[in-house]
Amino acid sequence: QVQLQESGPGLVKPSQTLSLTCTVSGDSISGGGYSWSWVRQRSGKGLEWIGNIYASGKTYYNPSLKSRVTFSVDTSKSQFSLNLRSVTDADTALYFCARQSEGDYGDHFDSWGQGTLVTVSS
Amino acid sequence: SYVLTQPPSVSVAPGQTARISCGGNNIGSEVVHWYQQRPGQAPVLVLYDDSDRPSGIPERFSGSNSGNTATLTISRVEDGDEADYYCQVWDGPGDHVVTFGGGTKLTVL
Repeated sequence: QVQLQESGPGLVKPSQTLSLTCTVSGDSISGGGYSWSWVRQRSGKGLEWIGNIYASGKTYYNPSLKSRVTFSVDTSKSQFSLNLRSVTDADTALYFCARQSEGDYGDHFDSWGQGTLVTVSS
Repeated sequence: SYVLTQPPSVSVAPGQTARISCGGNNIGSEVVHWYQQRPGQAPVLVLYDDSDRPSGIPERFSGSNSGNTATLTISRVEDGDEADYYCQVWDGPGDHVVTFGGGTKLTVL
């Protein structure tokens, strides 16, 4: 059973870069049929997809965040990472990493990390 | 961008049937997935491809999708079903954008 674990600083200053890493265990990050995603949730709000990355390095981003986001993947470490630049307090949220499964009819998220809270504050 | 509209809240007594809607323009031509999120926990996939249940999800959870509305139906509701529920679609293979509905809080009375 695949497991995902987020890691990274819980506090980031405004205008700086938020960096998180997700470590995948129990399955190969290079396995076919999957990509690897970041989803965030502001306090008391709904889920917001940030984007996903394939083991090949191919990425897709939420258009609303595309100008500030970069994903990377390190298959040797079974890790993928998120960098979000120029953060503001609107980026304060619980950040989840998730496995995005290429279903027969559409992608969905079949495994999730527990989430990590990132607060943007000086 | 595609917009999914869910009612903020649904309330139901134990043992009754809860229906949570997810509205979108011609959503019947899309494939909808559903997640349950209990307080303080990560979301869990409860339905994929409109109506398929992952392993471990009770048969009480079912789904339908037609016209402008997709529906998650929970039969014989239990206290443990109290959670937030989110619908989701994937805009592929075009922009590959994922959209979530705003979420519905299911309260078991």
